[in-house]
Amino acid sequence: DQQVKQNSPSLSVQEGRISILNCDYTNSMFDYFLWYKKYPAEGPTFLISISSIKDKNEDGRFTVFLNKSAKHLSLHIVPSQPGDSAVYFCAASEVSGTYKYIFGTGTRLKVLA
Amino acid sequence: EPEVTQTPSHQVTQMGQEVILRCVPISNHLYFYWYRQILGQKVEFLVSFYNNEISEKSEIFDDQFSVERPDGSNFTLKIRSTKLEDSAMYFCASSLTGNSPLHFGNGTRLTVT
Repeated sequence: DQQVKQNSPSLSVQEGRISILNCDYTNSMFDYFLWYKKYPAEGPTFLISISSIKDKNEDGRFTVFLNKSAKHLSLHIVPSQPGDSAVYFCAASEVSGTYKYIFGTGTRLKVLA
Repeated sequence: EPEVTQTPSHQVTQMGQEVILRCVPISNHLYFYWYRQILGQKVEFLVSFYNNEISEKSEIFDDQFSVERPDGSNFTLKIRSTKLEDSAMYFCASSLTGNSPLHFGNGTRLTVT
């Protein structure tokens, strides 16, 4: 039962261009969403989050967009840098009481210099 | 910046043996988690822990698994009788509240032979 899906296992982008990573969810009770970045041999690192009362949140080069009606969120990285090359996971939770985050399968981003 | 630390980084054990994976969460965090990632697959929730008891657990977290916070700083995951399919990266995480971002350690790679 994949409640959080990242349908693109990999993405390649030229340095300086925009990277767009997508995530879909099925559970309409999810109301808090996060993006994590993961390098090999390291744990996931928190990047940015958004709650369901917003449709956009921005932090530097990273912007997350949430479309609740489509149950879809995306992470935009502008401009992309070679150091952004990593696996990106989206995660979702219900704020009201379940202390767990459900992760997607990840998208491997490669930024080409 | 405070971080979650996990030991050991790599544990090799024989099938049927008990293993204990150790974690030191961020000191002022109150919620603790274990996740695992089988090679090439998604990050899976195992258990959350708050106020000295399990808050939620997944179907993976069966009677072979247990968690403990023995001394107010360490948070451990015990697998009583390991199976080959327990081989995975095990990540500990902590958060300040039940719906704030998780901070992950760098993981323990468990290999069951």
